[in-house]
Amino acid sequence: KAGVTQTPRYLIKTRGQQVTLSCSPISGHRSVSWYQQTPGQGLQFLFEYFSETQRNKGNFPGRFSGRQFSNSRSEMNVSTLELGDSALYLCASSAGQGNTGELFFGEGSRLTVL
Amino acid sequence: AQSVAQPEDQVNVAEGNPLTVKCTYSVSGNPYLFWYVQYPNRGLQFLLKYITGDNLVKGSYGFEAEFNKSQTSFHLKKPSALVSDSALYFCAGLSGGSYIPTFGRGTSLIVHP
Repeated sequence: KAGVTQTPRYLIKTRGQQVTLSCSPISGHRSVSWYQQTPGQGLQFLFEYFSETQRNKGNFPGRFSGRQFSNSRSEMNVSTLELGDSALYLCASSAGQGNTGELFFGEGSRLTVL
Repeated sequence: AQSVAQPEDQVNVAEGNPLTVKCTYSVSGNPYLFWYVQYPNRGLQFLLKYITGDNLVKGSYGFEAEFNKSQTSFHLKKPSALVSDSALYFCAGLSGGSYIPTFGRGTSLIVHP
């Protein structure tokens, strides 16, 4: 079974630009979550989608948005990039039926904002 | 509200010695607890989980964790550390009814040859 795939793996943007990151979950998984990882803040939850609906949302400004498609693939978008948005963005999938299952993470997309 | 604490930013251990990475939790109801490992420039990998039952949980790569309800702890252990175990370890907790686990800040494990 293929794992969680995130693209692109690395990207560099400048302040004010916007970026879109993509995540393909494990086949059959309907829940996709996004996390931001920085050395100072650790892992912070952005949002979770299940069957194309945002089911949970973290405490991030509206510049951060996401969506999920009918094939469970998900994208997240960050508009008006700031230097502090530099981070590793991790996507995780799970079966999503209950909450006792583990998360399967992708390799991440490392965003650098200059 | 749920919270997970990893009191040590870094743990150093010599290869061949036992290792312990600490985790305490504050989760309402019966907690679901997880350990993940992250190698450099990689995503997190699931190691083990506690849902219910036996307090000693065995996981991948020879790791195990002990659930202690009275101390609200879920420490990760391994009897004999390997240099290849050097990585960042995350504890996560979840309460019933929530779908989003809370992660600790992570503990960097360094195993010295």
